Amino acid sequence: GQQLNQSPQSMFIQEGEDVSMNCTSSSIFNTWLWYKQDPGEGPVLLIALYKAGELTSNGRLTAQFGITRKDSFLNISASIPSDVGIYFCAGQLRHSGGSNYKLTFGKGTLLTVNP
Amino acid sequence: GAGVSQTPSNKVTEKGKYVELRCDPISGHTALYWYRQSLGQGPEFLIYFQGTGAADDSGLPNDRFFAVRPEGSVSTLKIQRTERGDSAVYLCASSPVRGPQETQYFGPGTRLLVL
Repeated sequence: GQQLNQSPQSMFIQEGEDVSMNCTSSSIFNTWLWYKQDPGEGPVLLIALYKAGELTSNGRLTAQFGITRKDSFLNISASIPSDVGIYFCAGQLRHSGGSNYKLTFGKGTLLTVNP
Repeated sequence: GAGVSQTPSNKVTEKGKYVELRCDPISGHTALYWYRQSLGQGPEFLIYFQGTGAADDSGLPNDRFFAVRPEGSVSTLKIQRTERGDSAVYLCASSPVRGPQETQYFGPGTRLLVL
């Protein structure tokens, strides 16, 4: 099935550094989401974006919904050891009057933070 | 409150066997999704239920895969004649009555290994 293009695949950073990752798609979405997955767990929602151009923050996390509706980025500032995990972008296409809000995911970015 | 639960957490089976994977969604959530996550990949959509009916099963890879949700709550994903390529983490997610900003809450997944 379709998967979004997410980069980088992995990152090794020092505690305190900022991190940026992005996601692109060949098709448009009207919602972009960023999830984090820890080992042995399901994905947990970090940030949701609902309008093209929207910039949203959640603590040290900031994400933007690209103007073309085909891309999004996630920034993490001042990283800490507990930021370690796999980050996934996901696109969602909501049709007016539709009901299936299935998610299309990227392949993930593995983040390692050295204390 | 309780989140999405999935049982078993791990399942090892032999090629050709039949398996059932269970999902207990968050109480009151009417929408239920199944995703499959292969190693190093993001989750991929399998099937979506709204209430008791499978509203979209376009992600099921072939007719060996089937899912039910007879009472609109618990769902069971059934895989017949398992193959080694079916080995993956099977994730279930639920969401409340659909709205403009519904969130999918994921369970921890069932890790299926087909020998």
